[in-house]
Amino acid sequence: AQTVTQSQPEMSVQEAETVTLSCTYDTSESDYYLFWYKQPPSRQMILVIRQEAYKQQNATENRFSVNFQKAAKSFSLKISDSQLGDAAMYFCAYRRPGLSGGSNYKLTFGKGTLLTVNP
Amino acid sequence: DGGITQSPKYLFRKEGQNVTLSCEQNLNHDAMYWYRQDPGQGLRLIYYSQIVNDFQKGDIAEGYSVSREKKESFPLTVTSAQKNPTAFYLCASSIGARVSEQYFGPGTRLTVT
Repeated sequence: AQTVTQSQPEMSVQEAETVTLSCTYDTSESDYYLFWYKQPPSRQMILVIRQEAYKQQNATENRFSVNFQKAAKSFSLKISDSQLGDAAMYFCAYRRPGLSGGSNYKLTFGKGTLLTVNP
Repeated sequence: DGGITQSPKYLFRKEGQNVTLSCEQNLNHDAMYWYRQDPGQGLRLIYYSQIVNDFQKGDIAEGYSVSREKKESFPLTVTSAQKNPTAFYLCASSIGARVSEQYFGPGTRLTVT
């Protein structure tokens, strides 16, 4: 079974600085998807960024970028120029490609990292 | 605006009562999902539906039931058989089950006493 591990329960960063959140996963699959979701105090899950395992290029969305190391099964999130609105719980998630149905379609989540942004 | 709505935001029930959580989407998505979130935990899949009139159990389906009579609606019933029903429930949808991105509603906090 796939597992996702976020080893940092809490992180803090100064406004305008850069922070990196760690995520490792365990899978025997060669093709899969990885995601970072943000859950602010409102508790709505917001998709931040996604990475397809077959793509070597790291995904980037504005101030958010990932460092995807397939061999190491590592998927870290870098937030540049941190803003107060970035404060939230961040979840790393894994999904199989879902070609064969069943619960392949589920997202497997880590336990999250609580990010605090200090003014 | 397109999106996913869940109502109510907070729900309180007495032990032994069934309760139904609403999930509606106007994104024209085929696939819908229900997840449960407990404190200090990630989300766990309860049920999912790929198309209308079809649904499958996820990892923690015991004590829950769903229906998918309309494309835009995927209600979740928490039955009295669910041993620990107090949790935060999130509904999600995707264009199709094989499409990777899932988009989430605002969630419902259920408290059973």
